[in-house]
Amino acid sequence: QVTLRESGPALVKPTQTLTLTCTFSGFSLSTSRMCVSWIRQPPGKALEWLALIDWDDDKYYNTSLKTRLTISKDTSKNQVVLTMTNMDPVDTATYYCARREVAGPFDYWGQGTLVTVSS
Amino acid sequence: SYELTQPLSVSVALGQTARITCGGNNIGSKNVHWYQQKPGQAPVLVIYRDSNRPSGIPERFSGSNSGNTATLTISRAQAGDEADYYCQVWDISTGVFGTGTKVTVL
Repeated sequence: QVTLRESGPALVKPTQTLTLTCTFSGFSLSTSRMCVSWIRQPPGKALEWLALIDWDDDKYYNTSLKTRLTISKDTSKNQVVLTMTNMDPVDTATYYCARREVAGPFDYWGQGTLVTVSS
Repeated sequence: SYELTQPLSVSVALGQTARITCGGNNIGSKNVHWYQQKPGQAPVLVIYRDSNRPSGIPERFSGSNSGNTATLTISRAQAGDEADYYCQVWDISTGVFGTGTKVTVL
């Protein structure tokens, strides 16, 4: 059974760095073709893809946010971490992590975690 | 950057057919995935690689993709199909989501 769960602070201040952790089970990120992505959704708005890391430790980023994002994995802990620097109120959103196999869809999602950016 | 355009809303009578379009430059050359999202919930995959249904998704959901438009079709619409729907593709190793369509079942 595949599950993913996001964790991190619910509230961050402007200019701070956000660190989110995705803890998953039911698959391994050391398995060929396996990937984990981060996706966010501001309240009432559309989904926005942020970043992806694959089994080979290759990393891909949303070009508009690339300078602020870092994705990493700890295969032994079954975790993927996303950091986003210089947070702004417009970054207020629900942040999801999701599993993907190369060339495939996001087939499993976490329940999401709401992050509010406010002073 | 690659963009996907969807209608803001689609209304369908109970039991009738809803069609949700997803427009993108030569989208027919890409694999299109569709997600359903109900209020307060995470998205759920309903169609992958243009026209394939994951297990547990009713046959009423179907998809097609050609030229500059991909389409998600919901046949015999039910009240439980009310949700937001998003198309999604990969473009040069970048994930792209559509603008989203709210489906209302009347």
